[in-house]
Amino acid sequence: NFMLTQPHSVSESPGKTVTISCTRSSGSIASNYVQWYQQRPGSAPTSVIYEDNQRRSGVPDRFSGSIDTSSNSASLTISGLKTEDEADYYCQSYDSSHMIFGGGTKLTVL
Amino acid sequence: QLQLQESGPGLVKPSETLSLTCTVSGGSISSSSFYWGWIRQPPGKGLEWIGSIYYSGNTYYNPSLKSRVTISVDTSKNQFSLKLSSVTAADTALYYCARRPYTNYFDPWGQGTLVTVSS
Repeated sequence: NFMLTQPHSVSESPGKTVTISCTRSSGSIASNYVQWYQQRPGSAPTSVIYEDNQRRSGVPDRFSGSIDTSSNSASLTISGLKTEDEADYYCQSYDSSHMIFGGGTKLTVL
Repeated sequence: QLQLQESGPGLVKPSETLSLTCTVSGGSISSSSFYWGWIRQPPGKGLEWIGSIYYSGNTYYNPSLKSRVTISVDTSKNQFSLKLSSVTAADTALYYCARRPYTNYFDPWGQGTLVTVSS
């Protein structure tokens, strides 16, 4: 199985844009869809992006997902940052039917 | 609106078996479009997939837990269950259940239930 590596933390100011990366250790990032989840403190994770770049219903269009085969990574980009975006973000992919999560990134909006 | 709710003991003794149930409401667990999964999160740590099950009983398990995990489904009750044997303190975690479409993501999730392994 491969691993998904995320930065431990990122921080940015309100109104700015932040990008969180998720790098696949082996095999092509394009081989299997990548998903992104948001987890606010004390709450269960919720899906924000699925199938690389599809926004879940109700998720603002400030959230976008992409993949980059040259760096073998996926990215979650949040524009027009709001304080309510402060949360942990997890990427997830799969190998056959085995699910694999990244270690998570803590986003601080300050 | 589909909802999932985990239930089970919040305290389990070391070496015993952890047992949790996920009750699905607002939709049928027998839908051919979905798998159903368990994910856990140790306090202050990241997410770990435990396993998934189809309504027919077909299962997939995390290789690191496979020897201790059993996931089953009861379509008559619209529930699926998790059993984790020979637990240790390392199994202390928030346990979530979730629906998993064929394209392999989890949505929605239950609220989670904390299971502590301690004597």
